[in-house]
Amino acid sequence: GNSVTQMEGPVTLSEEAFLTINCTYTATGYPSLFWYVQYPGEGLQLLLKATKADDKGSNKGFEATYRKETTSFHLEKGSVQVSDSAVYFCALPERGSNYKLTFGKGTLLTVNP
Amino acid sequence: DGGITQSPKYLFRKEGQNVTLSCEQNLNHDAMYWYRQDPGQGLRLIYYSQIVNDFQKGDIAEGYSVSREKKESFPLTVTSAQKNPTAFYLCASSPPGTSLHEQYFGPGTRLTVT
Repeated sequence: GNSVTQMEGPVTLSEEAFLTINCTYTATGYPSLFWYVQYPGEGLQLLLKATKADDKGSNKGFEATYRKETTSFHLEKGSVQVSDSAVYFCALPERGSNYKLTFGKGTLLTVNP
Repeated sequence: DGGITQSPKYLFRKEGQNVTLSCEQNLNHDAMYWYRQDPGQGLRLIYYSQIVNDFQKGDIAEGYSVSREKKESFPLTVTSAQKNPTAFYLCASSPPGTSLHEQYFGPGTRLTVT
């Protein structure tokens, strides 16, 4: 079935540093890909998505490009802020399901001032 | 404001008691979901409902039950049969006209059973 592998955290950065959180996937075909963010003590928020190969999703300064050649969907941000401290989840549809998502285990990001 | 509300934020129960977690949305979404999140793990689907009076078991439905009598409401009951109920529970919904994989989450309820 479809699966995602995220880089293990925690990731600790200083404010204004460049962020990359790696996500690679295994899938049949070219499913949509998602990044979700979970701030401390809260539910998940959809951060961005890409629906087909070579698409770039972007939101709040974050970007991720759907790369079929490397089966990757890495999350990037040019200059992180303390408020970006959160857990980030990569996700894709479960194979054969029109509603189930398969989530990565999450990557904890801490940004220090 | 439109959104998904879950209450309460923290819930404490004694072992052997059933407990019901609330999930309400005023977004006019048809599809709703319940997930469980444990430390260091991704989310696992408990139940899914595409429309009123219809719901399907997810990957870990044992020990849980749901109802969907109204479009806006999708309560989850954690029964005494659930062996390890302490967890963070998240409700989600999907807007009409989009992929069901595009899901929007509530703030969650942290359940502690002792």
